[in-house]
Amino acid sequence: QKEVEQNSGPLSVPEGAIASLNCTYSDRGSQSFFWYRQYSGKSPELIMFIYSNGDKEDGRFTAQLNKASQYVSLLIRDSQPSDSATYLCAVNVGLSNDYKLSFGAGTTVTVRA
Amino acid sequence: ETGVTQTPRHLVMGMTNKKSLKCEQHLGHNAMYWYKQSAKKPLELMFVYSLEERVENNSVPSRFSPECPNSSHLFLHLHTLQPEDSALYLCASSQAGGGQPQHFGDGTRLSIL
Repeated sequence: QKEVEQNSGPLSVPEGAIASLNCTYSDRGSQSFFWYRQYSGKSPELIMFIYSNGDKEDGRFTAQLNKASQYVSLLIRDSQPSDSATYLCAVNVGLSNDYKLSFGAGTTVTVRA
Repeated sequence: ETGVTQTPRHLVMGMTNKKSLKCEQHLGHNAMYWYKQSAKKPLELMFVYSLEERVENNSVPSRFSPECPNSSHLFLHLHTLQPEDSALYLCASSQAGGGQPQHFGDGTRLSIL
């Protein structure tokens, strides 16, 4: 079983709609969860992190964490063409291995103008 | 200079060459990381340095040799590489300790002839 799994997409949404991205993880001890955005040919850019169950909002982005179900999601409201990118979910793999982040393969999002 | 800076941005080398990748962070962080990103594969953690001590070595072949002379600089020395080593090599930094967000440099695109 992969440590972090994401739907590869592509996820195509019309401009102005909500894009919903999901991520599941296998290590129940994971404590820290991150979403990165990666444009084609560029490096990953941190856009959200969440540590506690529930929702965390930052502008048009909302991260949702459910540790009991071992999933974390990212909602992008009012999607813009500039949101077209690959979104990477990253999970800290347990307290005993603090530094290791396991990354999913990424979900590619395309926002149609 | 701000953020995490990597040089060179592109590198083409033969299998018998020796070269080094350089990373410098200006964020006041004390942990630094090397990742490998190949097409269609998740980010792979290679090495972690925290407070200038190597704390993670993810079964990386010895043809890759990291060096961390201080908390701001990280090198990856390359020798006798194989064609499958062609990839994007990303440096990241964070505060030391569990679950801290990592910030990435722009990467070095490496091609092995």
